[in-house]
Amino acid sequence: GQQVMQIPQYQHVQEGEDFTTYCNSSTTLSNIQWYKQRPGGHPVFLIQLVKSGEVKKQKRLTFQFGEAKKNSSLHITATQTTDVGTYFCAPRGGYSTLTFGKGTMLLVSP
Amino acid sequence: DVKVTQSSRYLVKRTGEKVFLECVQDMDHENMFWYRQDPGLGLRLIYFSYDVKMKEKGDIPEGYSVSREKKERFSLILESASTNQTSMYLCASREGNSPLHFGNGTRLTVT
Repeated sequence: GQQVMQIPQYQHVQEGEDFTTYCNSSTTLSNIQWYKQRPGGHPVFLIQLVKSGEVKKQKRLTFQFGEAKKNSSLHITATQTTDVGTYFCAPRGGYSTLTFGKGTMLLVSP
Repeated sequence: DVKVTQSSRYLVKRTGEKVFLECVQDMDHENMFWYRQDPGLGLRLIYFSYDVKMKEKGDIPEGYSVSREKKERFSLILESASTNQTSMYLCASREGNSPLHFGNGTRLTVT
């Protein structure tokens, strides 16, 4: 499957601080999806990026796809305790498969 | 809403046992997947199926097999469970390139 590096592995922030996770690939990606997994839960789809340079927003979350389609980022503005969880990027691999990055675990202290 | 149901939330099995993990989806999705999730390793694809009776190996198929006799059901089989197969197992389904819908997971412990 498509290999990606996701950084950081873990981040602990104070509520109100910003947070960013990055997903980097050595090869060009056709598209990329982002998922969030709450503690004890299962991954839930957040968004899909397809176009070079694409930027999408969901309230405090901003998703970007790099111009070369080799990297992507998720930025959360003014984190809240409800943002706690692990965020995974998932580039499209072979036929209908998805390979996941190792994820970034976000902990938010009140 | 898509519902993906995994038959067991927790399972404890002994080394050498044959283990069946069942997954059912109710949205007539063509594609179904089995992942395992381990701390620090993320989600790794074991097997997937894009149609009834069709199966493809994922990244870590060794020690596992699958069965897809009906479109809605995808079973993961551990032929002879080993302690290194202790993990969280997640089933997912999707149609085409739509988002994955995951079940709640089965936490398997092999003793």
